[in-house]
Amino acid sequence: GQNIDQPTEMTATEGAIVQINCTYQTSGFNGLFWYQQHAGEAPTFLSYNVLDGLEEKGRFSSFLSRSKGYSYLLLKELQMKDSASYLCAPRDSNYQLIWGAGTKLIIKP
Amino acid sequence: TAGITQAPTSQILAAGRSMTLRCTQDMRHNAMYWYRQDLGLGLRLIHYSNTAGTTGKGEVPDGYSVSRANTDDFPLTLASAVPSQTSVYFCASSEKESNEQFFGPGTRLTVL
Repeated sequence: GQNIDQPTEMTATEGAIVQINCTYQTSGFNGLFWYQQHAGEAPTFLSYNVLDGLEEKGRFSSFLSRSKGYSYLLLKELQMKDSASYLCAPRDSNYQLIWGAGTKLIIKP
Repeated sequence: TAGITQAPTSQILAAGRSMTLRCTQDMRHNAMYWYRQDLGLGLRLIHYSNTAGTTGKGEVPDGYSVSRANTDDFPLTLASAVPSQTSVYFCASSEKESNEQFFGPGTRLTVL
């Protein structure tokens, strides 16, 4: 079956760095997306990985290891506005996104 | 540019009634999607359309139907609502199925 595993909740301090891990099992693989979702709002696209390695985009970076079925999202210089849920979504062989339940990130001053 | 819009924002519906959730995008995206999001669960795909005139079933299609008469609109219909359809419904679109998806603001539906 298809399965996504992310921590349910994480807490970090403003200005610090946090890493959100995601492990997945899918029927085939065609890339992995990370989305951010603030409470009561729609998900918004953060990053996309299709090859192994690190993709950096400003304060956010995303890493992929296809052989391990593993990805992480790294957030640097945390700001209060980064308090949100972060959704890991690998894409299967049918190009359908398989969504994890998300990791709720709480930023404390 | 509006992007992708959904209507209504929220709705309370009596069980057994029918309802159509509207979704419109102005980005000329080929692919469109309907998801439901329930507390503690990931987004679940209800139906999708890779291009105007075609539709497909997602993970949880039962009790829902869609149509894609043109590129811009992708309405979702509940023929006879049941309480288990209480959820937040998101419409999304992508330029093609291989691209990132852009989401509408969502419709919060309560079925009593």
